[in-house]
Amino acid sequence: LAKTTQPISMDSYEGQEVNITCSHNNIATNDYITWYQQFPSQGPRFIIQGYKTKVTNEVASLFIPADRKSSTLSLPRVSLSDTAVYYCLVVKMDSSYKLIFGSGTRLLVRP
Amino acid sequence: KAGVTQTPRYLIKTRGQQVTLSCSPISGHRSVSWYQQTPGQGLQFLFEYFSETQRNKGNFPGRFSGRQFSNSRSEMNVSTLELGDSALYLCASSGTASSTDTQYFGPGTRLTVL
Repeated sequence: LAKTTQPISMDSYEGQEVNITCSHNNIATNDYITWYQQFPSQGPRFIIQGYKTKVTNEVASLFIPADRKSSTLSLPRVSLSDTAVYYCLVVKMDSSYKLIFGSGTRLLVRP
Repeated sequence: KAGVTQTPRYLIKTRGQQVTLSCSPISGHRSVSWYQQTPGQGLQFLFEYFSETQRNKGNFPGRFSGRQFSNSRSEMNVSTLELGDSALYLCASSGTASSTDTQYFGPGTRLTVL
């Protein structure tokens, strides 16, 4: 499975847009990029998943360039409640392996 | 629809004991996965069950085992507990066996081994 690299931590302020970039140089053709969010002492929560170009849902956007060696999670107008750890994962389609988590990015949103 | 439930939420055991954790997936979900989360190692995949069959297992010793029942509920057992087994144990369910299917996580069981 492709290894992911993302910043250890990021700081932001309420109302700002936050972009978290993830590197996955060895991504394979049948791999998807998935992001999860985790609050302290809770299980991770699915945010968004994509294969290429751009995916948008009600909470975030995911930008994936043509070479798919990186991806960017974009959180519009963050609030204090967005303070959490964000995990970028590469998920292999039709694999019996489930989620392989890296260290994640600890996002702190300040007032 | 009720989410994934895990019992108990907190557990304190001593070294050498064994423990059984329970997970009830979202109604209709047939895949249940287990993860261990510690400050040092992060979130690690333990194993996954689908339709009562273990489909895959992470890199954990044989002291860690699990099973899934016909109603998709799952249990995880850890025998001969060690201090290093102290962790948050998370269960996740998904509707299908597809690896790209969204995983819905429960709140976890916090195990402390003294």
